[in-house]
Amino acid sequence: SYVLTQPPSVSVAPGKTARITCGGNDIGTKSVHWYQQRPGQAPVLVVYDDSDRPSGIPERFSGSNSGNTATLTISRVEAGDEADYYCQVWHGSSDHVVFGGGTKLTVL
Amino acid sequence: EVQLVESGGGLVQPGGSLRLSCAASGFTFSSYEMNWVRQAPGKGLEWLSYIISSGTTIYYADSVKGRFTISRDNAKNSLYLQMNSLRAEDTAVYYCARDPAGGDSSGYYRPYYFDYWGQGTLVTVSS
Repeated sequence: SYVLTQPPSVSVAPGKTARITCGGNDIGTKSVHWYQQRPGQAPVLVVYDDSDRPSGIPERFSGSNSGNTATLTISRVEAGDEADYYCQVWHGSSDHVVFGGGTKLTVL
Repeated sequence: EVQLVESGGGLVQPGGSLRLSCAASGFTFSSYEMNWVRQAPGKGLEWLSYIISSGTTIYYADSVKGRFTISRDNAKNSLYLQMNSLRAEDTAVYYCARDPAGGDSSGYYRPYYFDYWGQGTLVTVSS
């Protein structure tokens, strides 16, 4: 099975840049999607196809994907960005959707 | 406004069954692929199943294959998940989620990403 590895937690001060990684074997050959989940709420799509943003998502959210690591970057972090973030891919070899374990972003 | 509203959750004994529903509104339900995703208490997201707009192509996660059945009724704008032989480890919040991607140029369908989610319904499996 395909495994996506995320750091359990990332901390950042307000106004700084947060980078959340998602590691997977040759993940650069796959399309990676990212979700934000605030406590007690349903997930929200923040980046799809590695680096595209759905309408309504601030430009502060961006993504990149190369080699064995995809990265979600949140610029000028705000208190409201504090949430769990999940990466997701489709693994065609197993016909399965795979989620990373999630990263808790803490705004200091 | 796109809305997905899950229902049907509750407390069920191990080995029991439950049917979840997801009522869709605000978009042409019959044109979209749909998914079920769950989240155990304090845990991460787990994809469960995918069904294309016509209902003719379906995928399942290994953890639920043979026990859960996804289906849809486009006339009722509704998605369903029939859950049988429930186990304690099936305890989770269950979300339905819309998949906007559609099939590729060769007609191949598979889950892509999830652009709208419902608020979830809690299923508790316990004696």
